[in-house]
Amino acid sequence: KQEVTQIPAALSVPEGENLVLNCSFTDSAIYNLQWFRQDPGKGLTSLLLIQSSQREQTSGRLNASLDKSSGRSTLYIAASQPGDSATYLCAVRGGTSYGKLTFGQGTILTVHP
Amino acid sequence: GAGVSQSPRYKVAKRGQDVALRCDPISGHVSLFWYQQALGQGPEFLTYFQNEAQLDKSGLPSDRFFAERPEGSVSTLKIQRTQQEDSAVYLCASRPRLGTGGSYGYTFGSGTRLTVV
Repeated sequence: KQEVTQIPAALSVPEGENLVLNCSFTDSAIYNLQWFRQDPGKGLTSLLLIQSSQREQTSGRLNASLDKSSGRSTLYIAASQPGDSATYLCAVRGGTSYGKLTFGQGTILTVHP
Repeated sequence: GAGVSQSPRYKVAKRGQDVALRCDPISGHVSLFWYQQALGQGPEFLTYFQNEAQLDKSGLPSDRFFAERPEGSVSTLKIQRTQQEDSAVYLCASRPRLGTGGSYGYTFGSGTRLTVV
């Protein structure tokens, strides 16, 4: 059974810092990996999707990397802003599934001015 | 509508009461998922529909949970005889079918927060 772990559980940083969120998964037979953002009382917003054949994806200040063989992904946020404060969730789609996602428990990020 | 709509946003149920949670996916989205998110945890898969067919219900925690999507659009998640451990946010997500030019992306609704007292 696939298990996804995110470290740290919570992170508080001053505005402007670069930061890294970590995600690990136990079964490397994945189809893809996604990073989501969740704001309080809201649904999930997809940030980046990395296919199993890819090593990284970038969108603006966000960069996600994937090392499938070691079961790891990182989300790098450059020049953090208070508006980045949210819960960040990592999710993997299994290699043989139709699209079911297995989520980590999330990292709660607080960026203070 | 433009997004996935879930109703109600909040539901308080007395233990033992039956509840029904509704999901309106994006029009034309073939795939529909239900997830359960307990406080402080990531979402956990409950069930999956492709059109009206429920292809996977392996995540439903007990036979008190039942989901349907009779016409391949709106879906309802029903919980019978609610228990306190059912308290969670229930998220619905839809996705276009691959190969039709749609994206791989999921669109999640804002969820229904169920509190069983």
